Amino acid sequence: NAGVTQTPKFQVLKTGQSMTLQCAQDMNHNSMYWYRQDPGMGLRLIYYSASEGTTDKGEVPNGYNVSRLNKREFSLRLESAAPSQTSVYFCASSELFAGRGYTFGSGTRLTVV
Amino acid sequence: AQSVTQPDIHITVSEGASLELRCNYSYGATPYLFWYVQSPGQGLQLLLKYFSGDTLVQGIKGFEAEFKRSQSSFNLRKPSVHWSDAAEYFCAVGPMEYGNKLVFGAGTILRVKS
Repeated sequence: NAGVTQTPKFQVLKTGQSMTLQCAQDMNHNSMYWYRQDPGMGLRLIYYSASEGTTDKGEVPNGYNVSRLNKREFSLRLESAAPSQTSVYFCASSELFAGRGYTFGSGTRLTVV
Repeated sequence: AQSVTQPDIHITVSEGASLELRCNYSYGATPYLFWYVQSPGQGLQLLLKYFSGDTLVQGIKGFEAEFKRSQSSFNLRKPSVHWSDAAEYFCAVGPMEYGNKLVFGAGTILRVKS
């Protein structure tokens, strides 16, 4: 089915380890986004890519890096994981003009111990 | 800066009762407004959206929302709640510009009692 695919679905890391969260969409969307979801705080934007070849910081970018590999793929990297990065991470995509809203992936639940 | 306030963290309603979830936003112009629903362990699904025209918008699963400019509100309603509506609901606002980013509220958890 068309949509946004995130891998992995679950991950446990030790403090200081690194990992990359993968996201791919097959809707030919231009814009892609990474959010984190924490209880009582809603979704907060980490990074976004308005179009292929561009990336920009969102509200909470510290400790993360991103790569827009091509139009379909947008990865999120944690270079040195910290317990404060324990969260559920969502990737989303939209048309360049997001008037139709976002399509979300099913999320990655990350625990840093 | 844009912001979204969902005043109710939790709401409990009886099955068959009506529902209203509140959403207030802060933005300098007419924004794009959205409601999303998240079932446990799932991603977010778009319920409905507003950007112009009729201020009462219909969405999926029998939900509707009304945009009130004077109150900066976009409340979500359903006449009769089903047990399957138990989920977390998020209101979001976005600007009408290139590559726009949505700002989400903190969410309202809906519990349905039988």
